[in-house]
Amino acid sequence: QVQLVESGGGVVQPGRSLRLSCVASGFTFSSYAMHWVRQAPGKGLEWVAVISFDEKNKYYADSVKGRFTVSRDGPKNTLYLQMDSLRTEDTAVYYCARGRRDSTGYDHFDLWGQGTLVTVSS
Amino acid sequence: DIVMTQSPDSLAVSLGERATVNCKSGQSVLYSSNNKNYLAWYQQKPGQPPKLLIYWASTRESGVPDRFSGSGSGTDFTLTISSLQAEDVAVYYCQQYYSFPLTFGGGTKVEIK
Repeated sequence: QVQLVESGGGVVQPGRSLRLSCVASGFTFSSYAMHWVRQAPGKGLEWVAVISFDEKNKYYADSVKGRFTVSRDGPKNTLYLQMDSLRTEDTAVYYCARGRRDSTGYDHFDLWGQGTLVTVSS
Repeated sequence: DIVMTQSPDSLAVSLGERATVNCKSGQSVLYSSNNKNYLAWYQQKPGQPPKLLIYWASTRESGVPDRFSGSGSGTDFTLTISSLQAEDVAVYYCQQYYSFPLTFGGGTKVEIK
């Protein structure tokens, strides 16, 4: 079954860290660019980060640059988002999403996970 | 950054009638080397992740009903639902993938009149 399953969300204090994971199944994970997209409660969609299929390219939204790091583990079919120095405005549902095959990141997203909620609060 | 502006913010349409959602990009998302518009449309229902409907501005994703269509080029795009069904109640987003950061429109909520 082709799917993405996120985990790692929770409640965290401002300034602390959290690592999200996204396990892919049913497709050749290493052939696709992978993205993180977030959605604050009751708000619209915000793209966060991408890692290209070959890991050579990574891009970030300005709002998270220098604080978040995207990575992937091919043998584990897993995408990660390391989130440091968290702020209250990072509170959102975080989705992983599949980009295009063999892409460097300029993608639409044809497969989404169900999302994991991150709440940053003291 | 390419700003994506959707209109209207919400609309109510009778069952079986046409619904039209507009999306305007702050600069052209047409890539001249391949003549493709880097524009996608998504549908999001409450409590669910977004679902891809249209990419390259007018290519329907596999499995998407043919009542959904996308049109436009350059900076102005339209998503049309030709005959609104009850299951089409959702928020619709456009997204450009021409340049980083990838950006979404603010969303259009479609309801039944």
